[in-house]
Formats: sequence, structure tokens, C-alpha cells
Amino acid sequence: SQQGEEDPQALSIQEGENATMNCSYKTSINNLQWYRQNSGRGLVHLILIRSNEREKHSGRLRVTLDTSKKSSSLLITASRAADTASYFCATDAAGNTGKLIFGQGTTLQVKP
Amino acid sequence: DGGITQSPKYLFRKEGQNVTLSCEQNLNHDAMYWYRQDPGQGLRLIYYSQIVNDFQKGDIAEGYSVSREKKESFPLTVTSAQKNPTAFYLCASSATGASETQYFGPGTRLLVL
Repeated sequence: SQQGEEDPQALSIQEGENATMNCSYKTSINNLQWYRQNSGRGLVHLILIRSNEREKHSGRLRVTLDTSKKSSSLLITASRAADTASYFCATDAAGNTGKLIFGQGTTLQVKP
Repeated sequence: DGGITQSPKYLFRKEGQNVTLSCEQNLNHDAMYWYRQDPGQGLRLIYYSQIVNDFQKGDIAEGYSVSREKKESFPLTVTSAQKNPTAFYLCASSATGASETQYFGPGTRLLVL
């Protein structure tokens, strides 16, 4: 079952530009998380936003959550070549299922 | 140095063979998870365990088995019943459950000979 779907699937930008990735989901959630994965590596947690929060910041990252539209966005400002990676959203469906559902991911390439 | 480790990094399986992937964590986390990732895809949940001696099937459990005899260990066996095992396998843990941050190991790449 696929809860989160990300858009775009791939994104290529120049260093210094901003990158925006979107995530849509289907059911009510407790929280939504964003993870990053460098090629061939494990995932690294970036940020968690709870269902009663609308916006959260962490360094150059800004995450928004719109529960009425069942969508979230991840904005990376002033991108760097080191930001090149795949980014995944993951949702914890309301009802405490005990598991996260991951989206297909957005592959970001930042050109130096 | 706290963290979650997986071994081996690469694993080769012959036809009809069972293989076991190791996952160990020293974060004192209650919950542990196994995911499968195919090229260009997201993660799919195989099995998860919220407490020692208990585990539940995820979305794609067929052809896999797990055990959770110790809090720090959650090995995954890929059985001969799994006909398409070639994938990248990721283990993760979280403090108490899915509402919390998950910490991932570096992954094991399984290839079929």
C-alpha cells in the first residue's frame, strides 16, 4: 500500500538555487517525516512535522504540511552539490499502525 | 559509538539457498524494522517488531522470516521461497514506534548467483 507519493520524481538544479519537493498522502496521519538517501546508503532523518503543525524549519530546510489537502512540501534553500540525493517522505497513519509508509522519492541533482 | 549496523554489505545467494542478513543496534530502541528497496523505488516494509519476542508482517512478508530474541538484534532470513530476492535491504530502529524518528543501517545488497 503506497501512502505517500512524491513529485517531481527527478529534479535537476544549479548550485545556489532552491529545490522544492512535494508529497501527497491518502489517509489521516499522526505525523509526516522527510528522509534523505545518498546513493547506495541508508536513509537519514531530516525533519518530522506533526499533524497539528503547519511549518517547520531546520537549517536550510523548510517543511510545510497542509492536512486539508493531504500534502507536504520540502524546500531546500541555497542548494549545494552535497545536497544531491534522493528525498523521501514517510507517513505514520493515524490509528497507530506501528509502521511508516514511504513514498517513491524525489531524486535531486544539484550541479556545481 | 551508538548506531545501527548491518552485515554483510554484499551477499550472494544461490538458487534454493536460505540466507540471513544481520541487523544490530545499540541505541536501546524497542522497535526495529526491515525494508526492501528496489532500484529507483521507495522502501517497502517486510517485517517489524515493536518489542522483544514479538513481530508483525509488513506489506511484502512472503518469502522472508525474522526473529526478535534480543532487543538489540533483528535478523532477516531470505528463504528459497522468495523468488526475486535481488534488492537492497535496509534495517531501521526507533525508540518506541513508528511515530518516532527511524534510524537506518547502511544496508545489505543481496544478489542472486
